[in-house]
This record gives sequence, structure tokens and C-alpha cells, in this order.
Amino acid sequence: DTAVSQTPKYLVTQMGNDKSIKCEQNLGHDTMYWYKQDSKKFLKIMFSYNNKELIINETVPNRFSPKSPDKAHLNLHINSLELGDSAVYFCASSQALGVRGGGYTFGSGTRLTVV
Amino acid sequence: QKEVEQNSGPLSVPEGAIASLNCTYSDRGSQSFFWYRQYSGKSPELIMSIYSNGDKEDGRFTAQLNKASQYVSLLIRDSQPSDSATYLCAARTPSGGSYIPTFGRGTSLIVHP
Repeated sequence: DTAVSQTPKYLVTQMGNDKSIKCEQNLGHDTMYWYKQDSKKFLKIMFSYNNKELIINETVPNRFSPKSPDKAHLNLHINSLELGDSAVYFCASSQALGVRGGGYTFGSGTRLTVV
Repeated sequence: QKEVEQNSGPLSVPEGAIASLNCTYSDRGSQSFFWYRQYSGKSPELIMSIYSNGDKEDGRFTAQLNKASQYVSLLIRDSQPSDSATYLCAARTPSGGSYIPTFGRGTSLIVHP
């Protein structure tokens, strides 16, 4: 049983399109994240939700909109896709928000290619 | 700006040697530190977490934390070719009542037979 699952695994789309990536975790974690990993492997946090509440919103274009219908799900919708959005997007979850909140469990990633 | 710095490498060690990976962080308020391993095309996988000054051992892995020097390291004993991967250092740093997970850019490790 996959702990953090995200779909799709690969996404190829044209500039200007709108796309969504879905994420679900069955670990019972309260906090979920979206990360972007660029071609140089830099893993940068985009958003974090704690029990459906947005708590971290890093400098991300407002074309990116996260949605958390419940604490087990965190989806990412991207409007008007641009070439620079091409990257691997990882969903992750962790047990708690505090100092010793445990490590992050990552999904398998979604490789987004904008052409 | 909160940063976690790592040498990008590659760090090349022979099989059976000790691999030493280092990381520094800029925010003294950081409390929790993690080492992740990422194979090419795969997702990061947690290897170790450390919260207190000193050493923490788990099998062939030892994490070391020195908060005064703002320094975290990972030692891999008896390195194997299967340890070849990118190792990411992460810190949980305080920000506005919450904690932001900040990752370094990773160190590429190559273990050659």
C-alpha cells in the first residue's frame, strides 16, 4: 500500500494549458507539502497545508493553486502553463508541525514537461 | 534568507571506505535535521533524522550535529556501490509560528568498486 501517492507520474502538455496533479497520503499525517525539483535537483518548497489549512505559501506565481479537500489529500492546479514550469513536482507529508515533527515522506513525483 | 548549504560533489570513494557528507545551515533557530537519499529518477527517501547535538548511529549511517557550528554531517561506513546517489540535507527552520522544511542542493556520491 503506497504511503504517499500522486498522479499522474508523467505529464506532457502545451504552453497555456491548465493541468492538475493529485496527491493522497494514507499515513494519517496532518501536514502535506508540494515541492518543485528543478533540472539541477534543487528541491524547493511551494506550499504546505496542516489539516486542510494553508500554512506555507512560498514565492510561487499565483497560476499555482493548491487545494486540500481533507487532510489526506492535497492537489495542485496550474493555470496557463509556461516552459519554465517544467520540473518534477513532489508531494510529501509529515506527522506534525512542530520542531520534532518527523521527516517528510515523499510521493513518487510527477514529471511535468511543458512544450 | 534561510539556507542549507552542501557541496554538490561528486564525492567519489572506493567500495568499503567511509563517505563523509557535510551540510551547514544559516538559521540558528533550526531544530530538526534530516538526511535523505535520492536515486536518479526516484523520490527522496529519509535515511536519518537528528535533533540533538552529538552523534546518532543507525547501521552503517552516523549523523552528527553541532549546533554551535551550525553543521550537520552524515558518515556512511563500508560504502557500497548501491550507496551511489544524491544525498540531501534538510532542516526544519522556524518561520512565523510554523516550520519551513529547507533542503540543500544535494551532494552526489559515487562509490566505485
